[in-house]
Amino acid sequence: AIQLTQSPSSLSTSVGDTVTITCRASQGISSTLAWYQQRPGKAPNLLIYDASTLESGVPSRFSGSGSGTDFTLTISSLQPEDSATYYCQHYASYPLFGHGTRLEIK
Amino acid sequence: EVQLVESGGGVIRPGGSLRLSCAASGFKFDDYGMSWVRQVPGKGLEWVSGINSNGARTGYTDSVKGRFTISRDSAKNSLYLEMNSLRTEDTALYYCASALGDSSGSYFNAMDVWGQGTTVIVSS
Repeated sequence: AIQLTQSPSSLSTSVGDTVTITCRASQGISSTLAWYQQRPGKAPNLLIYDASTLESGVPSRFSGSGSGTDFTLTISSLQPEDSATYYCQHYASYPLFGHGTRLEIK
Repeated sequence: EVQLVESGGGVIRPGGSLRLSCAASGFKFDDYGMSWVRQVPGKGLEWVSGINSNGARTGYTDSVKGRFTISRDSAKNSLYLEMNSLRTEDTALYYCASALGDSSGSYFNAMDVWGQGTTVIVSS
């Protein structure tokens, strides 16, 4: 089964900074990767699909890149409301989520 | 408004059964693959089961195979998860989610609409 390794598991940064979260697949998955944001007590919210396509309504400071085994989610000009946990998910086969990255905005 | 509303959660003893439901509205339910995703409080997301748009194809994570059954009813715009032989490790918040639309109606896709979840607690 395809495994996903997401890193870092947590990070703390400041308003206005840029952060990058990575997701590595154990085998090639083409571009079948999505990114989600989950705020405490809320359902996940789709940010990016097909590795780099921005979901409608998601701010353009969110971007995704990669294909094959290595993927990144970049959030630029961080805002206080970006404080959340971020998950990658592949759908090359049975869907699987990464373990998540908790982002704290100082 | 596009909406998914889950129901049917509760407290159940190990070995018991529950049936979760998810009512869809605001979109053409028959066109979309659907999934159940669960989350233990404070932990990550786990895909549990999926079904394609016409109900012909289903899939399960290994830990629930043979115990859980996913189904859908187009007349009622509803998704279901029949859970049998429940274990304490099945305790979680269960979300239903719809897959991004594509021509195949597969659940092998990103999930763009989520419900708010229903809580299942398996405890003696």
